[in-house]
Amino acid sequence: KQEVTQIPAALSVPEGENLVLNCSFTDSAIYNLQWFRQDPGKGLTSLLLIQSSQREQTSGRLNASLDKSSGRSTLYIAASQPGDSATYLCAALNAGGTSYGKLTFGQGTILTVHP
Amino acid sequence: SAVISQKPSRDICQRGTSLTIQCQVDSQVTMMFWYRQQPGQSLTLIATANQGSEATYESGFVIDKFPISRPNLTFSTLTVSNMSPEDSSIYLCSVVPASNTGELFFGEGSRLTVL
Repeated sequence: KQEVTQIPAALSVPEGENLVLNCSFTDSAIYNLQWFRQDPGKGLTSLLLIQSSQREQTSGRLNASLDKSSGRSTLYIAASQPGDSATYLCAALNAGGTSYGKLTFGQGTILTVHP
Repeated sequence: SAVISQKPSRDICQRGTSLTIQCQVDSQVTMMFWYRQQPGQSLTLIATANQGSEATYESGFVIDKFPISRPNLTFSTLTVSNMSPEDSSIYLCSVVPASNTGELFFGEGSRLTVL
């Protein structure tokens, strides 16, 4: 059974700092790994999707890496801004499953960027 | 991507009643799913909504409690039946667009509070 863990659970940083959020998964047989952002009381916004054959994906100030063999993914946020404050979730989709949408989610990292 | 609209966005319900949540997508999608997010928790897949046939439920979720319909490629409903306070959660619709890269997109969610 896939298990996804995110460290740290919460992070508070001053504006402008570069930061790294960590995600680990127990079963390396994944189809892809996706990073989401969730604002309080809201739905999820997809940030980056990394296919199992890829090593990293970039979108603006965000860069996500994937190391399947070690069961790890990181989300790097450059030059953080107060608007980046949210909960960040990573989710793994296992290969070979019958349910394409059965993502296993981590518990999330609550990020606060203060001015 | 896909634009996903959920109704209602939030509701306060009485114990023992039922509520139907609607999910409308602006384009045809290959797959639709319903997730639950209990307070302070991450997301759990309830079921896959299958067009024109019965939904596929995950372990711990049953049709009598969470009946689901999907009459066409862009619309689905989830009913939470005979509600109890333990059903207080955010319910989220998610889809895989027809481009089918495996990336999931989520609606804004429906926040239910059961008194």
